[in-house]
Formats: sequence, structure tokens, C-alpha cells
Amino acid sequence: GDSVTQMEGPVTLSEEAFLTINCTYTATGYPSLFWYVQYPGEGLQLLLKATKADDKGSNKGFEATYRKETTSFHLEKGSVQVSDSAVYFCALSGHTGGFKTIFGAGTRLFVKA
Amino acid sequence: GAVVSQHPSRVICKSGTSVKIECRSLDFQATTMFWYRQFPKQSLMLMATSNEGSKATYEQGVEKDKFLINHASLTLSTLTVTSAHPEDSSFYICSAPDRVLAKNIQYFGAGTRLSVL
Repeated sequence: GDSVTQMEGPVTLSEEAFLTINCTYTATGYPSLFWYVQYPGEGLQLLLKATKADDKGSNKGFEATYRKETTSFHLEKGSVQVSDSAVYFCALSGHTGGFKTIFGAGTRLFVKA
Repeated sequence: GAVVSQHPSRVICKSGTSVKIECRSLDFQATTMFWYRQFPKQSLMLMATSNEGSKATYEQGVEKDKFLINHASLTLSTLTVTSAHPEDSSFYICSAPDRVLAKNIQYFGAGTRLSVL
């Protein structure tokens, strides 16, 4: 079945450091790919998405490119802030299964001032 | 953007009681809603797919008599944890896709933290 694998955390960075959180997926067909963010005690918020190969999703300084050849969707940000501390989930959703979303395990990010 | 409201945000109950959690789509119709469970520091586990006007579809290993789902209207799904026990304590999150505007994007409720004493 479809699955998402993302790097284990926690990831601890200093403010203004470069961030990469790796994500790879396995899926039949051509799913849409997402990054969701969860702040402490809250639900999930969509951070960015890409719906086809070579699409780049971007939001709030975060970027991820849909790489079909490597089945990856790595999250990057050039300069993180303390307020970026959260848990980040990579996810996919396809036409099979009624648009069910499959989530990775989540990566916790701590940004120190 | 689309908003999903989940209520209550937190509930504490005694063992053996039943707890109902509501999930509402506020500005769009949702023929399908999803219910997830999240254990501390873990990912979301899909429990069931709630279908308006028909029975919910449960994932393998989820007890349907334990977690009752009702999707009575195009904007409301409810999850009832029946005869709750301490092991049911968890963070429950609902989501709904806006099929008209953005098929694959899930809009999430803020979650309900259930603590069973």
C-alpha cells in the first residue's frame, strides 16, 4: 500500500539555520503530496502542497519539490525562526481510497534563539 | 479558506462513560470526513471514514462498536467513544476535504484531547 517515510527527529537548529526534512513516498499512480504543520496542542495546518511531478510548493519561506524520479518531497527553509518550532508531517493523497491521506511519522523541530 | 470546527477541545471523563466529539465543516459541504487518533509524539492513525447518509468505513483493528460514527448531515460528523477506558485517552482529530475547490486537501479540526480517569 501507499506509505510515507520521513526523517526521524527531533531536529534541533539555531535561529537562521538552514532546514531540510527528508520525505520519500511509495504510491501507485500519481498522488498529491503535502506538508502539514502541527503546533503544540493544536490540530494540523496545511503548510504547502504539490499535485504533480516537478511542482514546487511554497509558503512562509518553506519549499518542497515533487520529485517523481526519486519519489521524494523534501521540506526546506533557508532561515528558520523560533516560531517554526513544531511537528512537521509529510503526507500523500491519491485518487484511490477516496482521497484518504497517508501521513509520515512526523518530525519534531526545535529552533533555539 | 475552508474551516473545520471540532468540539470539545478537551474532555475529562470517568471510566465507563461515553463521550461525543463533533466535527463541523463551517463554510463547505463535506460528504466525507475522516477521524484520526494521535498518540503522544506519534503520527496520525486513520480510524475511520465518515460518509454522509451511509455507514462509516472503519480501518482494520478499529472497533466500530467502540467508536460510533454518525454523519447525519453534509456539515456534521460525530464520533462517540462508548464506555471509555483509560486506554482510550488520546488526541482525536477530524478532517474533511473540500471536494469542490480542492479535492485532495484536508482541512483539520483543532483536535479533542480525551482523558479518561
